[in-house]
Amino acid sequence: DGGITQSPKYLFRKEGQNVTLSCEQNLNHDAMYWYRQDPGQGLRLIYYSQIVNDFQKGDIAEGYSVSREKKESFPLTVTSAQKNPTAFYLCASSRKTGWGETQYFGPGTRLLVL
Amino acid sequence: SQQGEEDPQALSIQEGENATMNCSYKTSINNLQWYRQNSGRGLVHLILIRSNEREKHSGRLRVTLDTSKKSSSLLITASRAADTASYFCASLFQGAQKLVFGQGTRLTINP
Repeated sequence: DGGITQSPKYLFRKEGQNVTLSCEQNLNHDAMYWYRQDPGQGLRLIYYSQIVNDFQKGDIAEGYSVSREKKESFPLTVTSAQKNPTAFYLCASSRKTGWGETQYFGPGTRLLVL
Repeated sequence: SQQGEEDPQALSIQEGENATMNCSYKTSINNLQWYRQNSGRGLVHLILIRSNEREKHSGRLRVTLDTSKKSSSLLITASRAADTASYFCASLFQGAQKLVFGQGTRLTINP
């Protein structure tokens, strides 16, 4: 069953704590993305990766970090430097970046601050 | 901002009626895509229209693109309760490597 999985579905963060959100895809896609969605808002791009061991900052990268050590995996770490982390986080992948590529989304992780 | 602006922000109609949502943008695009998001879920791709296309159909969906007015519309015909969701346009601007999403239209279909 091909697709994108995200875990956990809900994540609670204590003040000063770093937390990592998991994103895995078995679609053999080169490109992967992380978005943040706030209530009633659209998606804002945090980071994206076009190829293994390479990634670029999106529009709101401050307070976040990523790695792309494997083609299938693109974990996102929300660091303590992110002062307002409460949001719905969506991971997506596409065959490649840019030109006419459909993005396939995971089910999302809701991050809440204790 | 290059972000697409969607109109209306919310739309409530009766089942069986048609729903029309609009998306406007500011700079030239290569393509524009429409996605649907059910509450608390990920986004699902609906349709992609390229800058050299004017209209595309997929089942009950019809998308138009007017590059002179920098706008696109999504029409859902014969709406069903299951169409209740938020709908987002996403634009690939010329020279860009990433999609830019609008803020979405929240559609409610009343039985």
